[in-house]
Amino acid sequence: QVHLVESGGGVVQPGRSLRLSCTGSGFPFHTYALHWVRQAPGKGLEWITVISEVDDLTFYADSVKGRFTISRDNSKNTLFLQMNNLRPDDTAVYFCSSGYYSRDFDYWGQGTRVIVSS
Amino acid sequence: QTVVTQEPSFSVSPGGTVTLTCGLTSGSVSTEHYPSWYQQLPGQPPRTLIYNTKTRFSGVPDRFSGSILGNKAALTITGAQADDESTFYCVLYMGSGISVFGGGTRLTVV
Repeated sequence: QVHLVESGGGVVQPGRSLRLSCTGSGFPFHTYALHWVRQAPGKGLEWITVISEVDDLTFYADSVKGRFTISRDNSKNTLFLQMNNLRPDDTAVYFCSSGYYSRDFDYWGQGTRVIVSS
Repeated sequence: QTVVTQEPSFSVSPGGTVTLTCGLTSGSVSTEHYPSWYQQLPGQPPRTLIYNTKTRFSGVPDRFSGSILGNKAALTITGAQADDESTFYCVLYMGSGISVFGGGTRLTVV
């Protein structure tokens, strides 16, 4: 059974940093693409970044490019999202998702909430 | 900037059939966008329904089907049930690693 568990969310002041983690189990973690998708309060889903299943290529939405960095540690089945220079509009629930290809979102975690507020 | 469009809301009668669509503000949706569909209940993570245009994800009943209709991707739900009442999202792959979600369609079963 596939499980993805996010952690690291919390309340942070604007301009500060936060690192999210997502630990996976029940599937060959190192062979899957991994995404972060966020959902602001009362809003829809927003794809923000992916690390590919091959060569760890990374891609970002314009809204986070230059501020967020995705990475993975396959030895620990863990995905990371380093978020720098956070803004109030980064307030959202952050979901990790795994996919067989970078275009896929097969499995989802429960999400971790990030609130950016002074 | 290309935006992925979905109907903001839709209603269907219990037992009825509804087709939700997923389009682009510029251009047509094709299988090369690998459209996929997700269902989300309030406070829950998304649930994968359809990927690669029409492939049902594991455990998804055949009441849900995906297709390309004209210049849009489509999700058709037959035999609508009360617990189908939720928000449905599509996502399109734009190439170069970039995916874009539609704004979601809130489905009401009444």
